[in-house]
Amino acid sequence: KAGVTQTPRYLIKTRGQQVTLSCSPISGHRSVSWYQQTPGQGLQFLFEYFSETQRNKGNFPGRFSGRQFSNSRSEMNVSTLELGDSALYLCASSPTGAGASNEQFFGPGTRLTVL
Amino acid sequence: AQSVTQLGSHVSVSEGALVLLRCNYSSSVPPYLFWYVQYPNQGLQLLLKYTTGATLVKGINGFEAEFKKSETSFHLTKPSAHMSDAAEYFCAVSSSGGYQKVTFGTGTKLQVIP
Repeated sequence: KAGVTQTPRYLIKTRGQQVTLSCSPISGHRSVSWYQQTPGQGLQFLFEYFSETQRNKGNFPGRFSGRQFSNSRSEMNVSTLELGDSALYLCASSPTGAGASNEQFFGPGTRLTVL
Repeated sequence: AQSVTQLGSHVSVSEGALVLLRCNYSSSVPPYLFWYVQYPNQGLQLLLKYTTGATLVKGINGFEAEFKKSETSFHLTKPSAHMSDAAEYFCAVSSSGGYQKVTFGTGTKLQVIP
C-alpha cells in the first residue's frame, strides 16, 4: 500500500497570503489528522476529520481550517498568514481514528515558510 | 486532561552505549502510551505502544519501554546505540472513551557519537 502523501513538500508565502495544503491518506483509512510541528513545541494538534466530519479540534485560531472529501483526502487552509505560522505541517491517517490505542501513519509533511 | 513531558530536548550517547529517553505523562484515566521516531525529512513512525497488559513493551529496532503507573512514566530504552538511531523521538498519550485526541511531547533529539 502507498503511504500517506502530502503536497506540496515545500512552500514559501508572504504575510497576509493564504495557503492550502493537501493530504492523501493510506487507502482505506477514514481518519485524517493534522499537526503543526515547530522546534521546541513538538507536535500541536490542529484537527481530525473522519468520514468528512470534523471530529476533534485543537486550540488554534479560526484562520486554520480544514475539510475532508468523500475519498478521505483532506485539505488544510491557513488564511492571513503570520510569521509564526512557519512550521512543518504533518498529516496522519488511521483506519478508525487518532485516539485510543490506534497507530497513526504520518506523511513526510509540508514545510511552510512565511516571509 | 492529558499531558506529556519529555525530559531533555537533546541527548547524546556514544555508539554502543545505553539509550535512555525519558517520558512522564499525566492522564485522568488509564492511558495509552506511544513512542514515535522521526528521521530527518520524514514523518513520524511508530516504535512501540502500550495499551493494556504487560508493562514492558518491545518495539522495532531493538527499542523497548516500560509502563510504570506509580511513577507515571514510560521511558524508552535500547541496550546498545547504533549510528542509525540518530533521530528525534516523541512520546505521546491518548485515552479511551469517545473521540480522544493524542497529545505529543516536545520531542528528544538523539545524537549518537561514533
